[in-house]
Amino acid sequence: AQSVAQPEDQVNVAEGNPLTVKCTYSVSGNPYLFWYVQYPNRGLQFLLKYITGDNLVKGSYGFEAEFNKSQTSFHLKKPSALVSDSALYFCAVRDIEDDYKLSFGAGTTVTVRA
Amino acid sequence: DVKVTQSSRYLVKRTGEKVFLECVQDMDHENMFWYRQDPGLGLRLIYFSYDVKMKEKGDIPEGYSVSREKKERFSLILESASTNQTSMYLCASSFQDSNLVTGELFFGEGSRLTVL
Repeated sequence: AQSVAQPEDQVNVAEGNPLTVKCTYSVSGNPYLFWYVQYPNRGLQFLLKYITGDNLVKGSYGFEAEFNKSQTSFHLKKPSALVSDSALYFCAVRDIEDDYKLSFGAGTTVTVRA
Repeated sequence: DVKVTQSSRYLVKRTGEKVFLECVQDMDHENMFWYRQDPGLGLRLIYFSYDVKMKEKGDIPEGYSVSREKKERFSLILESASTNQTSMYLCASSFQDSNLVTGELFFGEGSRLTVL
């Protein structure tokens, strides 16, 4: 079975500061990893994914994430946060041995203050 | 752009009522999913379908059923709604390549169901 942990319910940062949202995962095989963002009263939007290859993945809106196999982590980062980045962020994992099931973390609420 | 449309953004139903949540996607995706989202629990998979008339149980299928009669439409059915089914319901779709390696889901806006 696969699972995802997002250890922080909330992250608060000042605009212009670096933003990090943490994610660790557990799978029996090799993982496919994803980040999604949800703005208030909206569905989820895809940000980025790691399938294979370079451990540093770049995605939408200036976000990037680093896959660390030894630490089973996939933290989301942005060098300089914007107020408009305030949203709910979800990490998700799929075991390549389990074709369809994408397991989501509980989510981390990011608040960027002006 | 991929568009996943959920028929109702907000519904209020009474305990015991039958509830239909409809979802339509316009990108010819093979896979469709129903999740429910609850605070602190993230998204939990209810059912998914990888082809017309095919369905598979997710992690929390109890109290729900689904129907996929056409490729673009995936319906979630609550046969007898209960208060613990008050939640946000999210439909999603994804295409299926030969190696099943993408997994990128496209989500609808969500349907917020309140069962009184």
